[in-house]
Amino acid sequence: AQSVTQLDSHVSVSEGTPVLLRCNYSSSYSPSLFWYVQHPNKGLQLLLKYTSAATLVKGINGFEAEFKKSETSFHLTKPSAHMSDAAEYFCVSTGFQKLVFGTGTRLLVSP
Amino acid sequence: NAGVMQNPRHLVRRRGQEARLRCSPMKGHSHVYWYRQLPEEGLKFMVYLQKENIIDESGMPKERFSAEFPKEGPSILRIQQVVRGDSAAYFCASSPSSGDYNEQFFGPGTRLTVL
Repeated sequence: AQSVTQLDSHVSVSEGTPVLLRCNYSSSYSPSLFWYVQHPNKGLQLLLKYTSAATLVKGINGFEAEFKKSETSFHLTKPSAHMSDAAEYFCVSTGFQKLVFGTGTRLLVSP
Repeated sequence: NAGVMQNPRHLVRRRGQEARLRCSPMKGHSHVYWYRQLPEEGLKFMVYLQKENIIDESGMPKERFSAEFPKEGPSILRIQQVVRGDSAAYFCASSPSSGDYNEQFFGPGTRLTVL
C-alpha cells in the first residue's frame, strides 16, 4: 500500500532562511511522488514531481526535493523563504491512479 | 486554456437537503477525480471517473454519495440528505490520461457547509 508521512504539522521560519519540509513514504513499488502547495481558500498547485528519473527534482518558485530510496524520504527544500511561501504543503504519492496525500505541513514565514 | 472549474465555490445546505457539486475538467482531459478535505486534514480520494464510467469509487461513502461524468457536460458529485459531517472542501482534479506519472490538475474546490 502507498502512504506518505509528513513529519511536521507546522514549520516556522524567518524570511530569507532555508526551508525544510519532511516527508517519508512507504510503497510496495517505486512510487511517483509529488509536492503540492495550497494557499488559503485556494486549490492545489503542483510544485514538483518525481517519476524515477533524476533523484533531485527542481520545481517552481525555487523549491526542490531529493528522492532518497535508502531513507524512503522525499523532503522539500528551498534555500531562502519568502513571505509568499506561507501556505500548506502536501507530500503526495500515487496509488493505482489515485493520489494519496500526507496530512500536510503548514509553513509559517515571519518577517 | 481555462483550468479545472468547479461551481459553486461555496454551498450552504441544511441537514437533509441535497448538495450538487459540479466540475468541468481542463480541455482535452477525460479523467476526473474527486477528493474531500475535512478541516485540518489532507485530501482523501473519493472517486475516479472517465467519460460515462466510474473506474474507482473505493473512497466514496457507501450511502448518500454518488458521482457521474456524462458524455456531455460536467462531472457531478451528488450528496443526498446531507449531514453536518459532510461539511468539507470538495476538490475535483483532471488529467489527460491515466497512469501514476500523470499530474492531476486541481480546481479551486467547493466548500460545503451543512447547517
